[in-house]
Amino acid sequence: TQLLEQSPQFLSIQEGENLTVYCNSSSVFSSLQWYRQEPGEGPVLLVTVVTGGEVKKLKRLTFQFGDARKDSSLHITAAQPGDTGLYLCAGPVGGSQGNLIFGKGTKLSVKP
Amino acid sequence: GAVVSQHPSRVICKSGTSVKIECRSLDFQATTMFWYRQFPKQSLMLMATSNEGSKATYEQGVEKDKFLINHASLTLSTLTVTSAHPEDSSFYICSASPLGGDGETQYFGPGTRLLVL
Repeated sequence: TQLLEQSPQFLSIQEGENLTVYCNSSSVFSSLQWYRQEPGEGPVLLVTVVTGGEVKKLKRLTFQFGDARKDSSLHITAAQPGDTGLYLCAGPVGGSQGNLIFGKGTKLSVKP
Repeated sequence: GAVVSQHPSRVICKSGTSVKIECRSLDFQATTMFWYRQFPKQSLMLMATSNEGSKATYEQGVEKDKFLINHASLTLSTLTVTSAHPEDSSFYICSASPLGGDGETQYFGPGTRLLVL
């Protein structure tokens, strides 16, 4: 069974700090996706990483896919209150028609 | 582009009644639509996958007679929670995979909050 473990579960920081959240698995994924979800809303796709070792940047967010495609990280530089939310990683379930499995998420709170 | 809507956004119903939730892809056609539920402080759990014109595929442990899915067109899927009970209270989210896309990208709706009294 493919599982995605995210850490930390909760993170509360001050505005301006840097942070990294992790998404790990014992299984290889063809790709991993990162989403941000705000309370009462659906997840919004931030990025998809496909190639082992790949690094993608989205303004202050840096996403990395592990060389072995079993893990990924999200690094936020100079966090802002607007970054507050639940960050979810997800990956396709092998052999299924686009089905995704999700990690439990990291709940980030950035205080002004 | 790639907007998915859900209706209603929240619903309160009495135990024993049925509730229908609509999921629409507004500016694209969707090969496949997915239904998830999310309990408080937990992640999304896939309930079922539906393709237009065919029967939905349900995940293990999800009762197909309780959660009826109809995928009438390439832009509309409905989830009906039949004979709802308080334990069905949850946040239901749909997503859609674009026709002609990579098969892995899904666009999510804003969710429907169901409260069964």
